[in-house]
Amino acid sequence: DAGITQSPRHKVTETGTPVTLRCHQTENHRYMYWYRQDPGHGLRLIHYSYGVKDTDKGEVSDGYSVSRSKTEDFLLTLESATSSQTSVYFCAIGGSGGANTGELFFGEGSRLTVL
Amino acid sequence: SQKIEQNSEALNIQEGKTATLTCNYTNYSPAYLQWYRQDPGRGPVFLLLIRENEKEKRKERLKVTFDTTLKQSLFHITASQPADSATYLCALDPQAGTALIFGKGTTLSVSS
Repeated sequence: DAGITQSPRHKVTETGTPVTLRCHQTENHRYMYWYRQDPGHGLRLIHYSYGVKDTDKGEVSDGYSVSRSKTEDFLLTLESATSSQTSVYFCAIGGSGGANTGELFFGEGSRLTVL
Repeated sequence: SQKIEQNSEALNIQEGKTATLTCNYTNYSPAYLQWYRQDPGRGPVFLLLIRENEKEKRKERLKVTFDTTLKQSLFHITASQPADSATYLCALDPQAGTALIFGKGTTLSVSS
């Protein structure tokens, strides 16, 4: 299994509070991603990173920010959580570039509930 | 607009039969298409990747086809088993160097 861990795995918070989810990898992979998964919508890309300090927006980036200060960690921050951000968040590594096969390896997910 | 669609939300079949799942896309020209399996409460797990110049790929009881003219991929599980019950996701690269996008998935239930 790819060395990828997410924390926390479960979190309940209140509307308006800041939340940070952490993704940590031990694979030294250049690319890291944050997706959210909701019933009826499937997996949707929030942000991704193609290197330290290099990030780009995905389909549903509003209300989220990310940071990648070192290769192994990719942080997802909700500056002021809203109920619409209640979801399961998945971090992934792998993907596009060069000889890479493109497959992604996913973490186990972080379930966030915003009350 | 660009879309990736998995036609069935749910598919129920009997053990031993072949399950066929469909993934269609519009307004993309992907270099490859991938299939993932997701069990409840877990992250997706990669199964197969097929490139645009490949028509078919097999791995044990799994077979994937890719028709760039029809803009469609078919995912087959032969001799299906109850352990194959899961949600299956297709994914493609919308353009070179960008992140994968996923279909909503098809939940397969195999009854014994």
